[in-house]
Formats: sequence, structure tokens, C-alpha cells
Amino acid sequence: ETGVTQTPRHLVMGMTNKKSLKCEQHLGHNAMYWYKQSAKKPLELMFVYSLEERVENNSVPSRFSPECPNSSHLFLHLHTLQPEDSALYLCASSHALADSSYEQYFGPGTRLTVT
Amino acid sequence: GQNIDQPTEMTATEGAIVQINCTYQTSGFNGLFWYQQHAGEAPTFLSYNVLDGLEEKGRFSSFLSRSKGYSYLLLKELQMKDSASYLCAVKDSNYQLIWGAGTKLIIKP
Repeated sequence: ETGVTQTPRHLVMGMTNKKSLKCEQHLGHNAMYWYKQSAKKPLELMFVYSLEERVENNSVPSRFSPECPNSSHLFLHLHTLQPEDSALYLCASSHALADSSYEQYFGPGTRLTVT
Repeated sequence: GQNIDQPTEMTATEGAIVQINCTYQTSGFNGLFWYQQHAGEAPTFLSYNVLDGLEEKGRFSSFLSRSKGYSYLLLKELQMKDSASYLCAVKDSNYQLIWGAGTKLIIKP
């Protein structure tokens, strides 16, 4: 089952680099999400897209820039990151955003280390 | 503010039963989810409760009391493969998932 895929799986970058994370879902969903997962902390919702329109931006620093070119693809562009941005970045997708019963399907994540 | 509380870590014995509790305070309620996350892997969906009561699914059951802001996940006949983190999440009035920090469950032989 490769419902939600993410690349790369691991990324090490310096604070001056620019890189992008990619997510692709093969489930026919119309909502996609970026989460940050740090050790022993709750999942932090970063961005939500529904039908390719951004509907949520939870006060995420501008050094993180999302892009959703179509309902199957989601990118997270990174630039001038800080060491505290090191974490696991998870992508997820679901059916209709406003239907409470639909669960989210997660990708395997990108383990990001900022040096 | 919105808050989900669950124990940080629990230990149980193979073959036994364990109950993982979750209490929540959120702006609105549109359902509660439990996810399982093995180390280094993606969270996977276990259960969904929106009405009070018990939902049973094989060895796993989930209970909800909306008046108490409380849920639990019950795992029976524990197996070593059940060693994982269990995440509780509530959909608030904006249909956003509010997540707990997760409970790491350690199963001992």
C-alpha cells in the first residue's frame, strides 16, 4: 500500500540551504496536510489545503512555504531554517475536510536535521 | 486553550489487557480519533468515536464520554507488535485535529 508517499525520507541541511519536501497521495482525497512532529510533543498542524486552496496556516514561520499544485501533490519549501526546526515532517490526506468522520492517512515522513 | 492529556508511557505484559486514557478540553467536538504509531513509522488510524459508548474492533476497543471529556483505548490479548505510541486526537469546531503527545506502550514478555 503506497497511499501517501513522501520524499526524501531523510534530509540534512545547513541553515543557509534551500530544499523542498514532496508529498503525493494516491487515494483520491481532496484535503492535504503538513505536520511537524517533535519528540514527546503533540503533532503540530502547519498547513491545510482543501481542493488546492490553503485553509489553515497556524502561525508558521515564513521560512516554511507550502505549495499545492493539484489535489494529489503537496510541497513544503524550506529556506534559512533554524536548528530547532529539526523534526519529523509528516504529510497526510483525507476526504472532505469538514466531514468529521474521515480519518487522515499519513505518509512515512521526512526526518529533517538542520545543522 | 485546547488541550489533550494522555499518559506519557505505560508498560504491560504480553497477553494482558491495558487501558490508555485520554482527556480533552477543546473548542467544540466533532469526534475523537485514536492512532497507532510504531517507532520511525507513520501514524495509522485505529478508531473513531463521536457518540458516547464503546466501539469494539477486534482486540481493540475505544470508549467515549463527551460529558466528561474522556476517552480510553482498550487493548486486549497484548502482543509484542502492539509496542508503539498511541495518539489521541479530537476534531474541534473548525474540524481541525487537536493532538495529544501520545502514550508510549511497552510490552514485556
